[in-house]
Amino acid sequence: DGGITQSPKYLFRKEGQNVTLSCEQNLNHDAMYWYRQDPGQGLRLIYYSQIVNDFQKGDIAEGYSVSREKKESFPLTVTSAQKNPTAFYLCASNPRGPYGYTFGSGTRLTVV
Amino acid sequence: QQQVKQSPQSLIVQKGGIPIINCAYENTAFDYFPWYQQFPGKGPALLIAIRPDVSEKKEGRFTISFNKSAKQFSLHIMDSQPGDSATYFCAATANNAGNMLTFGGGTRLMVKP
Repeated sequence: DGGITQSPKYLFRKEGQNVTLSCEQNLNHDAMYWYRQDPGQGLRLIYYSQIVNDFQKGDIAEGYSVSREKKESFPLTVTSAQKNPTAFYLCASNPRGPYGYTFGSGTRLTVV
Repeated sequence: QQQVKQSPQSLIVQKGGIPIINCAYENTAFDYFPWYQQFPGKGPALLIAIRPDVSEKKEGRFTISFNKSAKQFSLHIMDSQPGDSATYFCAATANNAGNMLTFGGGTRLMVKP
C-alpha cells in the first residue's frame, strides 16, 4: 500500500540533544512538508520541499533542520537550539496538482 | 497573517445533531478547499474537498457549502455520531502556490451519545 511512514511513533530527547525524525513516502509525490502540532492547537509549518535537493523554511523553522537527498525521504532534525521541542510532528506530501495532502501518522517527541 | 480563519474552536453536539464548522478566506487565488479529520494521536486524513465552481458537495453524511462571493465555506455533518468526535481542519490552496495548503486553526468536535 502507498503511504507515508513516520518513525519512530514516540521519541524522547534529553536536554541539549539533537534528534532526527524519519519520514518516508512511496507515493512518488514531489512535495513534502513538516508540521508541528501542540496540544489542542493547529498545524504550524516548519519546513517544506517541492523538489529533491531543495527546501524552504516555513513559519517556525528556528531550531530545526531538514534534508531532501531523495524524493521519497524528508528527515527532520530537532536541534538543541529548539527550546521547546515537545510536540506532535506530522509529515505530509502531495503530488503535482491540487489533490491535497497525505499525512503520516505522526511522531510524538517529548523532552525528558 | 492567517489567511484561513476557522470557527468555532470547539463544538459540542448531541448524537443526531448537525454540527456546522465555518471557514473564511482572504486570498481570491485559492482554488481548492479540502477538509481534514484528525483523531487523537493520528495524522489528519482528507475527508472531502470542493472547488469554487460548485456551491455544494456531498459525500455520505458530510457536506461542504461554498459561497465564492463571501469567500466562505462550511462543513456540515448530518446525523452526527460519537465516532465523528475529532478535530476538523479546513484548508485552501492555489495552483500558483505550488499547491501548498493553508490551514485553518481547527475545530474540536465532540458528539455526545
